[in-house]
Amino acid sequence: DAGITQSPRHKVTETGTPVTLRCHQTENHRYMYWYRQDPGHGLRLIHYSYGVKDTDKGEVSDGYSVSRSKTEDFLLTLESATSSQTSVYFCAISETRGNSNYGYTFGSGTRLTVV
Amino acid sequence: TQLLEQSPQFLSIQEGENLTVYCNSSSVFSSLQWYRQEPGEGPVLLVTVVTGGEVKKLKRLTFQFGDARKDSSLHITAAQPGDTGLYLCAGENTGNQFYFGTGTSLTVIP
Repeated sequence: DAGITQSPRHKVTETGTPVTLRCHQTENHRYMYWYRQDPGHGLRLIHYSYGVKDTDKGEVSDGYSVSRSKTEDFLLTLESATSSQTSVYFCAISETRGNSNYGYTFGSGTRLTVV
Repeated sequence: TQLLEQSPQFLSIQEGENLTVYCNSSSVFSSLQWYRQEPGEGPVLLVTVVTGGEVKKLKRLTFQFGDARKDSSLHITAAQPGDTGLYLCAGENTGNQFYFGTGTSLTVIP
């Protein structure tokens, strides 16, 4: 296996509460990503990181923040969860050489329900 | 957002049949990837195609990248129940970001 784990696997939280999802990799890859997957929308990029403390926004970043203090850990935080953030969240890592992305390795996902 | 449309959205076939799923866009991509996702798991990379017109084969799966690098197809020969899953295409733009299609859900009935 590629050595990428997500925690927790499932979470139910109340509207307005903060939530943090964790992604941990053992591959020492530079790039890490957070996606959400929703029916009819496929996978959409929330934020990504290209190194320690280097992050950037994806196409659906509103309401989310990220942090990467170590190469192996990438955290996704919902500052104040809303029902529209109910989704399955996937972390991914990628091997890149130069300008080429050689494909993602995804974690098993976190199913988040905001009630 | 660069839209990638996949068709059909759902496909249910008998074991042993052949099938083709499509991934289309109005945008040009520097590369395109196909993934398969099983319930409760993350997508798994099947193949990357880079050159317009490129054809890659992976056992019973044949992947083709369109000449203009705007579309791709996945053909499965003699489908098996183990091929069941959600097939996703993802196109890479010049900014090294990938945009995913909404997927084709394939069910192969024994």
